[in-house]
Amino acid sequence: IAGITQAPTSQILAAGRRMTLRCTQDMRHNAMYWYRQDLGLGLRLIHYSNTAGTTGKGEVPDGYSVSRANTDDFPLTLASAVPSQTSVYFCASSHGQGTGGYTFGSGTRLTVV
Amino acid sequence: DQQVKQNSPSLSVQEGRISILNCDYTNSMFDYFLWYKKYPAEGPTFLISISSIKDKNEDGRFTVFLNKSAKHLSLHIVPSQPGDSAVYFCAARGPAGNNRKLIWGLGTSLAVNP
Repeated sequence: IAGITQAPTSQILAAGRRMTLRCTQDMRHNAMYWYRQDLGLGLRLIHYSNTAGTTGKGEVPDGYSVSRANTDDFPLTLASAVPSQTSVYFCASSHGQGTGGYTFGSGTRLTVV
Repeated sequence: DQQVKQNSPSLSVQEGRISILNCDYTNSMFDYFLWYKKYPAEGPTFLISISSIKDKNEDGRFTVFLNKSAKHLSLHIVPSQPGDSAVYFCAARGPAGNNRKLIWGLGTSLAVNP
């Protein structure tokens, strides 16, 4: 089934540990995005990638890094997790023109303790 | 500064009645608007969209209205069904040069009561 796969679906992580959230799409979309969703704050963009080999910072990039080695994969890394990074993380992809083509994964629920 | 605002965090409607979800925006350069629906433990899914050159777009029970002069759009659901209970996000496409990234509202939680 075409779409976006995120892994893991949930994780409890000790503060200070490194963690990579995985995101893979099979739609050959050019653009990919990482969002976090927190109660009362909606969807906030962490990092994005317009095309393979390029990345950019969103609204809340601090403490996160991304890479885009190929079209399909867009991992998000927390180098040293902190409790404020407890959130639900969504990966999304689009053709890059924003005309309704955003497809979201099912999310990763991360708890940093 | 919130460029896309959904001022009602929640809305409760009786089954069979109309649900009206509102969204205001500040940037007149936005040229495309979208509504997404999100169920708990799932990612948002695209619902309906409208270009800024139109004032109405309809898809089954869902209609989006755009008032450019007021920088306001609304989503109408008629008739509302319990399965429509979800969080609805309004989003606007950013102007050219901004990678056309979507700018999101904070969402409105709709509860449709049987």
